Amino acid sequence: SQTIHQWPATLVQPVGSPLSLECTVEGTSNPNLYWYRQAAGRGLQLLFYSVGIGQISSEVPQNLSASRPQDRQFILSSKKLLLSDSGFYLCAHGTPYGYTFGSGTRLTVV
Amino acid sequence: KQEVTQIPAALSVPEGENLVLNCSFTDSAIYNLQWFRQDPGKGLTSLLLIQSSQREQTSGRLNASLDKSSGRSTLYIAASQPGDSATYLCAVWMNNDMRFGAGTRLTVKP
Repeated sequence: SQTIHQWPATLVQPVGSPLSLECTVEGTSNPNLYWYRQAAGRGLQLLFYSVGIGQISSEVPQNLSASRPQDRQFILSSKKLLLSDSGFYLCAHGTPYGYTFGSGTRLTVV
Repeated sequence: KQEVTQIPAALSVPEGENLVLNCSFTDSAIYNLQWFRQDPGKGLTSLLLIQSSQREQTSGRLNASLDKSSGRSTLYIAASQPGDSATYLCAVWMNNDMRFGAGTRLTVKP
């Protein structure tokens, strides 16, 4: 079975600083990978998904970007964080047979 | 565009009660539906996955049903326990990604 690794677990960053969140997958090849954000008390918002190396689809215009440099690596980045980027970020591997999530990163922008 | 709605948004019950959580979706062309549990500050844990060709799935005290034609799913929890307190999310898979409801926050009082 596949395992999703996300780090760091928590992060406090000042406004205007850069961001890099990493997600890696074990136990599968050529996975579909996803980044979601969950704002306090709200549902999950799909930010990006990737079906392969270098292939990124963006769901909503925002201050964030994503990259897929390797088959099992998915990175979420920002050049300059905004206060509104605060939230809980989840990486997931998805197939028509179900989703598996990482443990998430709690980002607080101050 | 797929919209997933969960009712109620919050639910509080005494220990031992049987309860039903509801999920509805607007586009019935789904591949599967998955129920997740999320504890505060944690990632999502998969509870049950129902393929589009199935009507229901059971795991222990949990039973999930799917009526694809009417765009509805229910999660039935029997003999609720305080440890069941969490947010329950439903999600539907279609076109390479999964869309989530906002969740139902369940509190089971001892």
